[in-house]
Amino acid sequence: GENVEQHPSTLSVQEGDSAVIKCTYSDSASNYFPWYKQELGKRPQLIIDIRSNVGEKKDQRIAVTLNKTAKHFSLHITETQPEDSAVYFCAASKGGGADGLTFGKGTHLIIQP
Amino acid sequence: NAGVTQTPKFQVLKTGQSMTLQCAQDMNHEYMSWYRQDPGMGLRLIHYSVGAGITDQGEVPNGYNVSRSTTEDFPLRLLSAAPSQTSVYFCASRLLMGDTEAFFGQGTRLTVV
Repeated sequence: GENVEQHPSTLSVQEGDSAVIKCTYSDSASNYFPWYKQELGKRPQLIIDIRSNVGEKKDQRIAVTLNKTAKHFSLHITETQPEDSAVYFCAASKGGGADGLTFGKGTHLIIQP
Repeated sequence: NAGVTQTPKFQVLKTGQSMTLQCAQDMNHEYMSWYRQDPGMGLRLIHYSVGAGITDQGEVPNGYNVSRSTTEDFPLRLLSAAPSQTSVYFCASRLLMGDTEAFFGQGTRLTVV
C-alpha cells in the first residue's frame, strides 16, 4: 500500500518568516495530495490540495508544489502568523473510489513571536 | 447542514467493556471512514465504507467492527476495549468519485483504563 513520509516532525519559525514542510510518497499511482491543518483539540481541515496534472498551486500565503518524478510534494507558508501554529498533515490517494487517504505523521508548526 | 457529527466527544471505558462511537453525515457522501490518531503516528485508517451495505478494513482494523445500514450513519464498535485502543477517533466522509475533500467529525477522545 501507499506510504507517506513527512518531515520535519516539529518546525519552529519566527513570525513573518517562511515555513516549508515536505512529504514523499511511495505509490506512483497516487494522484491527489491534500494538506490538512489541525489546531489543538480540533478536527483536521483541508487547507489546500493538488492533483497530479498540476505542478504548483497557490492560495494567498500558502502554496503546494508537486514533483511526480521524485514522488514528493511540499507545503510552503509565507509571512507566517501566530494563527498558523498547528499540526499539518500531508496525505496521498489515488483519487476517489474506494481508495482512502494515507496520511503522513504530521508536522507541529510553532510560530515564535 | 451539520456536516459530520460524532458522539460522544469524550469517553472512559474499563478494559473489556464494549461501546459504539456514532458518526452521522448529512452531505449525502457515499464514502465514510474511521481513523484513529495517536501521538506521532498521524491518522491511521481503521475501516471504511463506499456505500450502504459495503464495508472494508483499513490499516488497523483489529478490535473494531463497523456497519453501514444507511448512507448517513457509520458507527464504530469496540468489541472488548483494551488500553491500546486509547486514542482520538475521527470519522470522515467525502464523495466517492473524483478528488474531493474529506470532511472530519469533531473527534472522540477515548480512554481505556
